Amino acid sequence: EAGVTQSPRYAVLQEGQAVSFWCDPISGHDTLYWYQQPRDQGPQLLVYFRDEAVIDNSQLPSDRFSAVRPKGTNSTLKIQSAKQGDTATYLCASSFYGGHGQNTLYFGAGTRLSVL
Amino acid sequence: GEQVEQLPSILRVQEGSSASINCSYEDSASNYFPWYKQEPGENPKLIIDIRSNMERKQIQELIVLLDKKAKRFSLHITDTQPGDSAMYFCAASGGNYQLIWGSGTKLIIKP
Repeated sequence: EAGVTQSPRYAVLQEGQAVSFWCDPISGHDTLYWYQQPRDQGPQLLVYFRDEAVIDNSQLPSDRFSAVRPKGTNSTLKIQSAKQGDTATYLCASSFYGGHGQNTLYFGAGTRLSVL
Repeated sequence: GEQVEQLPSILRVQEGSSASINCSYEDSASNYFPWYKQEPGENPKLIIDIRSNMERKQIQELIVLLDKKAKRFSLHITDTQPGDSAMYFCAASGGNYQLIWGSGTKLIIKP
């Protein structure tokens, strides 16, 4: 079974530039999460989807970050006008909810973003 | 909102001895408690989890204990090996099925 796939693996930007991250979850997983993990810290939830619907984006800096999952499968996280404080690893994870509560999250390899 | 406290932030133990990491949560509706291990440069990987209908779960050298009254859960690694050195994160899932993560414990196994 293929795992969660993310691309790119690395990104280096100047402040003010834009970047998009792409995630392909495990087939059949209805729930998809985007996390930001600064160095030496735990994952911090940015947004999560169930199918194509946003369930919680309260931690997503809406002025510069956006995330979509239009067909309930792949997802894109975009940062417009990146700042140095956005330097972190961006992790995508997926799980199967299916109406039965919380289940295991499977993480992708992440995208390491450096904003200079 | 729900918070999960995780201690200690750094844990150094001698190879072959046991390591214990403790977490506490606030939301009494929390019912799912996973533990993730993250090695440098890698993504977090689930190593063991426990649901609220259990008090204890063991997978090989990993033991998880859950005390629902005290709202505490813990991970115990017996007979630690160098490969156990990593960051460990606890998490709790409440009534809204959203995982709340602890701040992590850096486990260092001394030879």
